[in-house]
Formats: sequence, structure tokens, C-alpha cells
Amino acid sequence: DQQVKQNSPSLSVQEGRISILNCDYTNSMFDYFLWYKKYPAEGPTFLISISSIKDKNEDGRFTVFLNKSAKHLSLHIVPSQPGDSAVYFCAARVTGANNLFFGTGTRLTVIP
Amino acid sequence: KAGVTQTPRYLIKTRGQQVTLSCSPISGHRSVSWYQQTPGQGLQFLFEYFSETQRNKGNFPGRFSGRQFSNSRSEMNVSTLELGDSALYLCASSLQGLAGGGSYNEQFFGPGTRLTVL
Repeated sequence: DQQVKQNSPSLSVQEGRISILNCDYTNSMFDYFLWYKKYPAEGPTFLISISSIKDKNEDGRFTVFLNKSAKHLSLHIVPSQPGDSAVYFCAARVTGANNLFFGTGTRLTVIP
Repeated sequence: KAGVTQTPRYLIKTRGQQVTLSCSPISGHRSVSWYQQTPGQGLQFLFEYFSETQRNKGNFPGRFSGRQFSNSRSEMNVSTLELGDSALYLCASSLQGLAGGGSYNEQFFGPGTRLTVL
């Protein structure tokens, strides 16, 4: 049973515009949410995270929003750049554990 | 500082064989986790080792096992390989033990081992 879901397998955005990647989860015990970025032939790299006690976290061009009542989070990239083209994974952690539950990923393509 | 290394990077095996994958964490990191990545399932947690002890385990059959050595290096073994075991196996290391609410021990991933079972 997939506890973290990314329903959009792919997304294409023009350079300079906003990219919005979405993620839904089912487990109310998740207390930390993360976004990872993955290029081909490389492991995922951490991008940004948010604790369940917050509803927004910003880091440069990247902002993550958390809506606990809807069990939904999103990643906004503004402005999008061609180098942002990668697969983005949403992940979540249960309190007291180190392991992560991942979504299936969204492939972002930023068109120059 | 060297990152997480995994060997081998690519591996081809046949059904019924067994395989051992290796992971060297970042120096000083004591926690090593293993994940399986397949196209339809994304990344799924296999197990985590901390100070040579398995601390957490995902929902995989007993054919998947692992261990950690005193230098924190970890190995993962899959016995009696099946076609469905074809996947990218990722190792991740983190600095220390469990983090409490509101904080997180960042996991650093290696490049993975691509296993193909024929």
C-alpha cells in the first residue's frame, strides 16, 4: 500500500515559469516530509524538507507547502531553470524512525 | 569528504542465484539504510543498520538480508533471485541515530547498484 503518492508521473514547464509538484499521503503518523531530486545514474539528493508543525518552508527558489488537513504537500520552484530537469521524489518519515516512505516520483522537464 | 559509495554499479545474474551488494557510508556515519527502486513502486525501504544492528525492516521477504560491519560498511544479500528483483538498489547513510520530532537526520544516497536478473 503506497502511503505516499505522486499522481503526476511527468510535468513540463517553460523556463522562467513556476513548477508545482504535488504529493499526497495517507499516514497521519508522518512528522517530517522531504523532497529529493534525482538525476540519471545518480542517487537521490536532498532538496528541501518541512516538519509537520509548519505549513511552509522556503529555500531560495524552492518552497514546500504542507496542508495537514488535506494530507497534501507541494513543491514550488520559481523560476524554473533547465538544470532543474530531473525526477523529484516526495518522501515522509514516521516519528521515531529513520526510514523514509517515498512516492513514485515526478519527472520534471524544464523547456528552455 | 567522500560520498556514499556502492559496489558494484551494475550486476547481471540469473534466476536462482544469489547476490551481495556493498555500501560504504560517509566517514563518521553510523546508520546505513537500503532501498529498492523499481519503475512502478518508487523507492521502497528494505532495512536500516545502526552500530552493526538491524534497527528497522521493511516489508520484504526473508530472501533479502543485510549486515553491517564495525567500520559501518554494509552489505545486502539477496538469495534465490527472481526476475522481479531486478531493480536499482540504493544505500543511504546518515550521521547518527534516531531524530526526535521536529528534526531529521539527513540521509545521503549513493549512486546505486543496478541489478538485472535474467
